[in-house]
Order: sequence, then structure tokens, then C-alpha cells
Amino acid sequence: SQKIEQNSEALNIQEGKTATLTCNYTNYSPAYLQWYRQDPGRGPVFLLLIRENEKEKRKERLKVTFDTTLKQSLFHITAPQPADSATYLCALEGTSGTYKYIFGTGTRLKVLA
Amino acid sequence: EPEVTQTPSHQVTQMGQEVILRCVPISNHLYFYWYRQILGQKVEFLVSFYNNEISEKSEIFDDQFSVERPDGSNFTLKIRSTKLEDSAMYFCASISVLGTYNEQFFGPGTRLTVL
Repeated sequence: SQKIEQNSEALNIQEGKTATLTCNYTNYSPAYLQWYRQDPGRGPVFLLLIRENEKEKRKERLKVTFDTTLKQSLFHITAPQPADSATYLCALEGTSGTYKYIFGTGTRLKVLA
Repeated sequence: EPEVTQTPSHQVTQMGQEVILRCVPISNHLYFYWYRQILGQKVEFLVSFYNNEISEKSEIFDDQFSVERPDGSNFTLKIRSTKLEDSAMYFCASISVLGTYNEQFFGPGTRLTVL
């Protein structure tokens, strides 16, 4: 069955050091992958989408890579600040063209001042 | 900026009671969703709705659940006979589809507590 895995352990990182979060998937061949940010008690907020034919996508201090051979996406925050502390979720379309999205468990990032 | 709204923000109910959670998606969006998130767990897909009918649903979305778009703006999730395990945050979301990002816009959620 389809599975998305994110490191469920919290990631503590010092302010200014690049944070890297991982999303692995199995039994999928997604056309694209999305990353969201979720703060406690709030709904997810869309950050970035990367397509299968794109190796890398950037938005301000955020960078996402997508390796369809490894079935993995990496999410980087350059020079993270305490305000970047949140849970970061990756999401895939369960079956292409259905617009049914499956979310990973998320990785909680804490940026230490 | 347009946003998805949900009411109520918190609903407390007794086991066995019916609840209706309400959402107003972004007006020109085409796909509407309900997700559930049990405290400390992942966001789980319940159902998607397109062109006035259910497009996809998960195993969680059994006969106790139903969705409706009674008018051009509201989108509701009904749970007929609530169970303790239905206690969770329920998020509504919508997407345009016509854009290139299929970005889901989420509402602030309704916290459902079943006693």
C-alpha cells in the first residue's frame, strides 16, 4: 500500500544553521509533491509544490528537491529563525488526477535562538 | 485575501448525537475537502467533493458521515451518531484546480470533542 514517511522525531536546530527535513514515499509515482507548514491548533498552510520533472524549487529561504529514483523529497530552510518553528508536512496525490491528497506525519522543527 | 472559514471553532457533544460542521470554501474553487486530525497525529483525508458529488472518500468516511453543499457557498460535514473516537480537529480545504499549483487552502478547523 502507499506510504509516506517523515521523521516523526522533532528536529532542534540552532538559528542560522540550515534545516533539512526528509519525506520518503513508497508505492507511489506522484506527478508532484507539496510541502505545508502547520502551527499548533491551526490548519496547514501551503508552501511549495515540486513536479516530477523538476529537481529543485526555491522560494525565498526555502528549497525543495525531488528525487523520483530515491522516492524522496528534501525540504531545506536556509538561515532558520525561531519564527520558522512549526511542523512541516509533505503531501502527495494518492492517485494521479484524483486530487485526493495523502499527508505525511510531519516533522516538528524547533529553531533555537 | 480570500480564505476558507469554518464554524464553529469548537463543538462539544455527547456520544450518539449528530453534529454538523460548516465550512465556506473560497468562492471560485472547484474541489472541496474534509480532513481529520486526531491530537498528535497526521492529517487524514476524509472526502473530496467536486461538481456537487463525492469525488473520493477514505475508509474513515463510513455511513456515519455525509457531506453536502446546500447552496453555492456552504459545505457541510455531518456525523450522524458521534463516537468518542470522532474527537479530533476537522479541517475543510478547497483548491482551484485551474491554477498550476493545486494549492490547498485550509480553514482554521473545528475542534470536535465527544464526551
